[in-house]
Amino acid sequence: RKEVEQDPGPFNVPEGATVAFNCTYSNSASQSFFWYRQDCRKEPKLLMSVYSSGNEDGRFTAQLNRASQYISLLIRDSKLSDSATYLCVVKAGSGNTGKLIFGQGTTLQVKP
Amino acid sequence: DVKVTQSSRYLVKRTGEKVFLECVQDMDHENMFWYRQDPGLGLRLIYFSYDVKMKEKGDIPEGYSVSREKKERFSLILESASTNQTSMYLCASSSRIRTSRKASYNEQFFGPGTRLTVL
Repeated sequence: RKEVEQDPGPFNVPEGATVAFNCTYSNSASQSFFWYRQDCRKEPKLLMSVYSSGNEDGRFTAQLNRASQYISLLIRDSKLSDSATYLCVVKAGSGNTGKLIFGQGTTLQVKP
Repeated sequence: DVKVTQSSRYLVKRTGEKVFLECVQDMDHENMFWYRQDPGLGLRLIYFSYDVKMKEKGDIPEGYSVSREKKERFSLILESASTNQTSMYLCASSSRIRTSRKASYNEQFFGPGTRLTVL
């Protein structure tokens, strides 16, 4: 079983749609969670951290369910510029090596 | 702004050649990482380093070695390149020090990547 699992998609949605991505992780001791965004032929960049209480950044909402070991990202009012691959990321263990575990990524294509 | 640079964007080598991929970061980060990214497999960690001269194996270290002689520089070495090492190689760095920015702790900053083709 992969440590971080995501549906690779692709998700094809029209502009203005609301889309949600889910991710599960296997290590119950994981403490830190993130969503990264990777544009085509570019490097990954941090989109947002995921906090236990859930957090929102504009049109983006991230939620964490520790009991189910599940992370989600909701994008409202999708824009063409949201087209990218979204990587679910979990910090490995409780140590301080900085090691992160990346999911395979979910591809989003927003159509006009 | 953090800047992570990689020595080449594209590289073509022949089977058996020794290959050096260089990565430099300018933010005084303690941690540095080398990944490869392949379609359908995502990002896989090859090696990482949490301090100068320190290195740890990642998930797929076979066929690779690394060197970290200076804090800002982390090199990935393919001792004898093989065709199955054709891939996109990404370097990243991160700080182990908490700052006022919540997201900065453990945030990894990536270089633009090196597309390596081994013929």
